[in-house]
Amino acid sequence: GIQVEQSPPDLILQEGANSTLRCNFSDSVNNLQWFHQNPWGQLINLFYIPSGTKQNGRLSATTVATERYSLLYISSSQTTDSGVYFCASQEEYFNKFYFGSGTKLNVKP
Amino acid sequence: EAGVAQSPRYKIIEKRQSVAFWCNPISGHATLYWYQQILGQGPKLLIQFQNNGVVDDSQLPKDRFSAERLKGVDSTLKIQPAKLEDSAVYLCASTGGRVGLAGNYEQYFGPGTRLTVT
Repeated sequence: GIQVEQSPPDLILQEGANSTLRCNFSDSVNNLQWFHQNPWGQLINLFYIPSGTKQNGRLSATTVATERYSLLYISSSQTTDSGVYFCASQEEYFNKFYFGSGTKLNVKP
Repeated sequence: EAGVAQSPRYKIIEKRQSVAFWCNPISGHATLYWYQQILGQGPKLLIQFQNNGVVDDSQLPKDRFSAERLKGVDSTLKIQPAKLEDSAVYLCASTGGRVGLAGNYEQYFGPGTRLTVT
């Protein structure tokens, strides 16, 4: 299966700071998704981004499929951004998703 | 549009007991997934259904876990008998994609069931 690596594993920020989370994947993928897992455990969809760049408010994401990586940018971080961020890559034919181990973000006031 | 529904949200059982989880995917989604997420780890796929057929159950511990999606809509995951190491969050997800069907299909998750085995 596809190997997915996320970095850094842990990140502590002061409120207002910017950050970049990285997701590397081992093979060509059909789809790349970013999720935020809230304190209650639910995975919230952030971006569905097989390639290119998307922005949603203070968050943006870029996927360079040919180089097998994706980046999630968080600007002007807020305490509500705390939680675990996962990326998941999708294998094209079998529609199967592979998750990284996540980046745990702690934004301090 | 209603999201993925799961129940119960929490369950506490003793080891060797049985437990069942229910999932109702987004209407019209052909593919349904069950994941196990142990604390501090990413979700691990247990089983993938397309309609009422199994696409992949290679990581399902079949001696104790079973799952079905009889009518191709909602699904049940069962554990019998439960072990301490089964304590985890069980997540259900769905997409509109199908095996071999070209295109990009976003995956949506339910709220999960937190299982504690004592």
